[in-house]
Amino acid sequence: GESVGLHLPTLSVQEGDNSIINCAYSNSASDYFIWYKQESGKGPQFIIDIRSNMDKRQGQRVTVLLNKTVKHLSLQIAATQPGDSAVYFCAEEGYSGGGADGLTFGKGTHLIIQP
Amino acid sequence: NAGVMQNPRHLVRRRGQEARLRCSPMKGHSHVYWYRQLPEEGLKFMVYLQKENIIDESGMPKERFSAEFPKEGPSILRIQQVVRGDSAAYFCASSRSLGNTEAFFGQGTRLTVV
Repeated sequence: GESVGLHLPTLSVQEGDNSIINCAYSNSASDYFIWYKQESGKGPQFIIDIRSNMDKRQGQRVTVLLNKTVKHLSLQIAATQPGDSAVYFCAEEGYSGGGADGLTFGKGTHLIIQP
Repeated sequence: NAGVMQNPRHLVRRRGQEARLRCSPMKGHSHVYWYRQLPEEGLKFMVYLQKENIIDESGMPKERFSAEFPKEGPSILRIQQVVRGDSAAYFCASSRSLGNTEAFFGQGTRLTVV
């Protein structure tokens, strides 16, 4: 399943399919980006990060892509599993309104895995 | 190795009361960040502290909110004279070094003002 457009509040995919969650950021000066997963009633959990001098980084089943030209960040999850159901937030670090030292979070995308 | 510990997990206060939220960072971490999350929204940065110092409080409301991170003990986020609009989840994160690299979040305190 692939999200259409940006900032979809909910993305529903079939178990086993790949998921792509998109995020746009506003500050071209941001130099560090993180994806977090937040399950209901819990704190954000670090998934993967990327610095602005890279355009791709891979982890276990996850890949983050950074397109600085259009200020776009995406998270790809391969072979989604029921445990991937959560809200996913992108966050940027930089002088972007999140404070000089704080992260600025996006609104989040709720990923739902269909059996 | 315990993670970031926040307490209480849930806090109910009447309007006008004070709320105190506590955060114990991970062992070896001396940098603490507080964030607020409203329902269906992302986290909003509030304040960044090191031991005995407030480094950046640009996200803190000007009135009623204060934070500290003493030499000994947990970091405290204090909200005086709470109002209904203060109802939210408050998250603390800690890191070993400057910046948000490898910052780990606690489970949050859910404040409800009635």
